[in-house]
Amino acid sequence: DQQVKQNSPSLSVQEGRISILNCDYTNSMFDYFLWYKKYPAEGPTFLISISSIKDKNEDGRFTVFLNKSAKHLSLHIVPSQPGDSAVYFCAASFTGTYKYIFGTGTRLKVLA
Amino acid sequence: GAVVSQHPSWVICKSGTSVKIECRSLDFQATTMFWYRQFPKQSLMLMATSNEGSKATYEQGVEKDKFLINHASLTLSTLTVTSAHPEDSSFYICSARVTGTSSYNEQFFGPGTRLTVL
Repeated sequence: DQQVKQNSPSLSVQEGRISILNCDYTNSMFDYFLWYKKYPAEGPTFLISISSIKDKNEDGRFTVFLNKSAKHLSLHIVPSQPGDSAVYFCAASFTGTYKYIFGTGTRLKVLA
Repeated sequence: GAVVSQHPSWVICKSGTSVKIECRSLDFQATTMFWYRQFPKQSLMLMATSNEGSKATYEQGVEKDKFLINHASLTLSTLTVTSAHPEDSSFYICSARVTGTSSYNEQFFGPGTRLTVL
């Protein structure tokens, strides 16, 4: 069963606008969440993360929000740039294991 | 920044042969490395956790006799796909955790290896 889901397989956004990528999880034991960006035939690159004790973390244009009661997190990119076009994966982890359970991915296309 | 390499970047082999994929941490030591596989347009699925000097821990449903993992040093883990078949064709990605850190963020991914079994 897919413990981490990204229900939108794709998203198109105009340059300069906000991109919002969503992620849902089922296991309440997850206590750390990460977002990765991935290009075809390359490994994922880290973007931003959040601990379950927080509900928001911000780094430049990227902000991650965590709603534990809803088991939902989102990544906001503002303003969106054409170079942000890629597949975005959310990942969840358990304390001490450092194993990542990845979501299904959302392909973001930022239109110039 | 921390760099993880994989070799080869792509490989084509005949059905029934074995293929070895290397994962190296180039500028840091990694006691723990992870192996993932990704099917086209799908998620990265964790296959196993590789710990230096000990046996790998495999995820449920992953055949340990088919996917042999060896983590002989703090900078190298290898994944050997034994008796490969076309259904093993996939994109294999490793990641490495910086030794001694408790941070979740100190894990870095390799560029991946595309395996095609004919």
